[in-house]
Amino acid sequence: NAGVTQTPKFRVLKTGQSMTLLCAQDMNHEYMYWYRQDPGMGLRLIHYSVGEGTTAKGEVPDGYNVSRLKKQNFLLGLESAAPSQTSVYFCASRRGLQETQYFGPGTRLLVL
Amino acid sequence: RKEVEQDPGPFNVPEGATVAFNCTYSNSASQSFFWYRQDCRKEPKLLMSVYSSGNEDGRFTAQLNRASQYISLLIRDSKLSDSATYLCVVNFYNQGGKLIFGQGTELSVKP
Repeated sequence: NAGVTQTPKFRVLKTGQSMTLLCAQDMNHEYMYWYRQDPGMGLRLIHYSVGEGTTAKGEVPDGYNVSRLKKQNFLLGLESAAPSQTSVYFCASRRGLQETQYFGPGTRLLVL
Repeated sequence: RKEVEQDPGPFNVPEGATVAFNCTYSNSASQSFFWYRQDCRKEPKLLMSVYSSGNEDGRFTAQLNRASQYISLLIRDSKLSDSATYLCVVNFYNQGGKLIFGQGTELSVKP
């Protein structure tokens, strides 16, 4: 099992550009999450999904959109990147609400 | 007030020392609790769950006090490889099983 994988590992964008971050898990987990981690802020939840075809907003959803068309994939989109979106993005998944979340290796995004 | 607050770091300790991290949470609806470990520029990884009765895993002991809304992690006989950031995490079963992370406490174990 690869666990949770994220693509790309690193990206540089110019302000206003768009991009999609891909998260994939091969553990047949129902729940998937996108977080961002900034210095001094800890991890903050952007969006989450409780199953295929469903998504919901987390703590800091503005400027991001998500889709969960397939159970194993959770996509995070930035329609018009801003420097404030420079961060490390982590995807996570879990089987059930009482279980731990497994994290992907992260995507480092720099918006100039 | 932050929902999950941890001891400010960094903690600099010699090998073999015992070190304790504390964490408080503000929402009494919190359902379950974890300690995660995060190495520099890597993803968080589960260190251990925290149970009401307290639990131990080798050199690591976690305790929970629901009445005081307080969680702790004790590391005995510190190793160089224990150097990392330790994240206190609170789990809510609503909102899709939201995890709230503390800011983390950095531990540096020196020879």
